[in-house]
Amino acid sequence: QKEVEQDPGPLSVPEGAIVSLNCTYSNSAFQYFMWYRQYSRKGPELLMYTYSSGNKEDGRFTAQVDKSSKYISLFIRDSQPSDSATYLCAMSDGSSNTGKLIFGQGTTLQVKP
Amino acid sequence: DAGVTQSPTHLIKTRGQQVTLRCSPKSGHDTVSWYQQALGQGPQFIFQYYEEEERQRGNFPDRFSGHQFPNYSSELNVNALLLGDSALYLCASGLGRTQPQHFGDGTRLSIL
Repeated sequence: QKEVEQDPGPLSVPEGAIVSLNCTYSNSAFQYFMWYRQYSRKGPELLMYTYSSGNKEDGRFTAQVDKSSKYISLFIRDSQPSDSATYLCAMSDGSSNTGKLIFGQGTTLQVKP
Repeated sequence: DAGVTQSPTHLIKTRGQQVTLRCSPKSGHDTVSWYQQALGQGPQFIFQYYEEEERQRGNFPDRFSGHQFPNYSSELNVNALLLGDSALYLCASGLGRTQPQHFGDGTRLSIL
């Protein structure tokens, strides 16, 4: 079993839709949770960074962390064609001697005009 | 403000050869991590450098080695290349070892 599971999709939605992307994990030591967006032939771009449980909002993006269920989500409101990309969840335990990120497989999103 | 820069962008090698990839971290960052991303997969952690020392290593063989210089830039070296080493190699930098990491656009390595 992988430490982080993410549905690879692809996920196709019409422009303006609300998108929900999810990851589950097995390591209860994870404390830092991130969402990255990766366009084709580009590196991952940091979208959201949260610590422990709770919600964080940034513009059209909302990240949720539920540590009790070992489940994280990214919501995209009013989705745009420019949001078409692969979305990667990542997490770390944040201990003093490691910055190792564990990634999900990535979900490919297509937003149709 | 320059972000993380990597060179070269694309490299073609043959089996058994050696390769060196380079990374300059984002201004103000002092930690560099390297990841390997196979097609259709998430990045896999190779190792992290901080204060010019390898601090943690992922599940990669000794053929993978690295270095961090006093100016915080870093190199990834891979010896005895295998076909399975074909991937996108990503460098990420951060401030300290737990702050969010920012990625470069990677070096795409193809092994023939």
